[in-house]
Amino acid sequence: SQTIHQWPATLVQPVGSPLSLECTVEGTSNPNLYWYRQAAGRGLQLLFYSVGIGQISSEVPQNLSASRPQDRQFILSSKKLLLSDSGFYLCAWSAQSLSNQPQHFGDGTRLSIL
Amino acid sequence: AQTVTQSQPEMSVQEAETVTLSCTYDTSENNYYLFWYKQPPSRQMILVIRQEAYKQQNATENRFSVNFQKAAKSFSLKISDSQLGDTAMYFCAFISSPFSSGSARQLTFGSGTQLTVLP
Repeated sequence: SQTIHQWPATLVQPVGSPLSLECTVEGTSNPNLYWYRQAAGRGLQLLFYSVGIGQISSEVPQNLSASRPQDRQFILSSKKLLLSDSGFYLCAWSAQSLSNQPQHFGDGTRLSIL
Repeated sequence: AQTVTQSQPEMSVQEAETVTLSCTYDTSENNYYLFWYKQPPSRQMILVIRQEAYKQQNATENRFSVNFQKAAKSFSLKISDSQLGDTAMYFCAFISSPFSSGSARQLTFGSGTQLTVLP
């Protein structure tokens, strides 16, 4: 069966520090991959999605970036974190097909910027 | 662009009772899919139920069922025999049907409804 792993679960970083959040998927190949951010008490905002290695689409301009160095690995990065980057970050995957496969989410990373 | 609206920020229900969460959406597409996700305090996002727009029959998953009104663009979630473990934030989500592989499926989420099941 497919599983998605996301780490770390919690992260506290000072303003201006770099960021790297990692997400890996097991049990499937060539998935679509997504990074979402959820502000406190709010819905999910899509940040990046990827349909293949090295293919990244950005939905919201910001100081974050994403990379997909391997088929089942999706990384969210920042060179310098801002206070506004605080939030709950969720990675998700879905099957690349024409069927109505839903997105499956990781457990999330709670990022606090001090 | 598609939008999803959940007009009830918070709701509560007594244990064993039935509750309905509302969701409306706006789209010009004819083929699409709708989902309800549940996010308990653990923050894990869990798929509850899904509905395909071309199917008139309402989806059902155990105690969870939907009332899908395509003309009205309404997609409500009914939880029967509510349990304490149903306490969570519930998100309605929309995705259009892709016409070619290789395109990412972008979910549009509503703002969520916080459901509290009272003992």
